Amino acid sequence: NAGVMQNPRHLVRRRGQEARLRCSPVKGHSHVYWYRQLPEEGLKFMVYLQKENIIDESGMPKERFSAEFPKEGPSILRIQQVVRGDSAAYFCATTQGANTEAFFGQGTRLTVV
Amino acid sequence: GEDVEQSLFLSVREGDSSVINCTYTDSSSTYLYWYKQEPGAGLQLLTYIFSNMDMKQDQRLTVLLNKKDKHLSLRIADTQTGDSAIYFCAERDAGNNRKLIWGLGTSLAVNP
Repeated sequence: NAGVMQNPRHLVRRRGQEARLRCSPVKGHSHVYWYRQLPEEGLKFMVYLQKENIIDESGMPKERFSAEFPKEGPSILRIQQVVRGDSAAYFCATTQGANTEAFFGQGTRLTVV
Repeated sequence: GEDVEQSLFLSVREGDSSVINCTYTDSSSTYLYWYKQEPGAGLQLLTYIFSNMDMKQDQRLTVLLNKKDKHLSLRIADTQTGDSAIYFCAERDAGNNRKLIWGLGTSLAVNP
């Protein structure tokens, strides 16, 4: 859905650098979900945030990955010291409430070289 | 645990009907979704069905839900070349913060 904006659309990082992925929700949406789509695989849940709070991070790798959704501004998925295995498409979805329709962004395609 | 399964590939001729199948394991699912992903693009919600429904029709799309067998299908009537894409089935987990559990996607190829 065009209402969810992710940027950048494509991101190239060298091994060891940091990657910051941004997700601006549809106006009025306060729930953000991040998903990762590895090559040849389906989407895997990473983290669920609701304005300033991490609700569920059961899908996040234990190290190097973090997410935030500040009171003002977009949600950020941060990957420190990237490795080749982090290369994937990262999608965010936002909802107005926990039980409402999820709208997806176009995704950020991260390539680690 | 939670699991959603789909066949990986489907090939049909233009004008025929396509049927994409999906099975899931979580009996407490509330909503079941079909998303479409075109090459290099994001995910587009096609349709969804609430778990107390058997069928939902939306123009060329028909969703059938067999809750007893935990089987969901998407039928596309009069399939066109523009329908070529990957189709993902997803269920909304009623219990665990409502996250979506995804299948691996079915790649639909439409041949002229």
